[in-house]
Amino acid sequence: QKEVEQDPGPLSVPEGAIVSLNCTYSNSAFQYFMWYRQYSRKGPELLMYTYSSGNKEDGRFTAQVDKSSKYISLFIRDSQPSDSATYLCAMSSSGGYNKLIFGAGTRLAVHP
Amino acid sequence: KAGVTQTPRYLIKTRGQQVTLSCSPISGHRSVSWYQQTPGQGLQFLFEYFSETQRNKGNFPGRFSGRQFSNSRSEMNVSTLELGDSALYLCASSINPGQGVGEQYFGPGTRLTVT
Repeated sequence: QKEVEQDPGPLSVPEGAIVSLNCTYSNSAFQYFMWYRQYSRKGPELLMYTYSSGNKEDGRFTAQVDKSSKYISLFIRDSQPSDSATYLCAMSSSGGYNKLIFGAGTRLAVHP
Repeated sequence: KAGVTQTPRYLIKTRGQQVTLSCSPISGHRSVSWYQQTPGQGLQFLFEYFSETQRNKGNFPGRFSGRQFSNSRSEMNVSTLELGDSALYLCASSINPGQGVGEQYFGPGTRLTVT
């Protein structure tokens, strides 16, 4: 079993929809949680960085962490065709320094 | 502020050869991490360097090595290339708060093809 599980999709939604992306994990030592967006043939771009549990909002993006359930989510409001990309969750424990464990990534397509 | 840069962007090598990839972190960032991305295994951590010292290492064979220079620039080397080493190699830099895990910013990657 992988430490981080993420549904690879693809997920197809109409423009303007609210998108929900999720990851589950098994390592209870994880305390740092990140979401990256990766366009084809590009490097991952950091979208959200959160520590421990709770919510964080940045523009159209909201990240949620539920450590009791070992479950993290990324919500995208008012989705746009330009949001079409692969979304990767990543996490780490404080003892892991900057070693990130990534999910497989979810491919998202937002159609006009 | 300039982002993470990686050179070269594309590389084609033959089995058995060795290759060196370069990464320049964001100015002021002292931590550099390397990752391998393949369709089958996804993004996997190779190693991290901080202040010229390897601080963490992933589960890769000894053919994969790296180093960091005093200006925080980093190189990774793969010796005796195998077909399975074909991948996108990504470098990430972090300002590193000293404790915990910092925000990591990725470069565009080097796409290595081994024939």
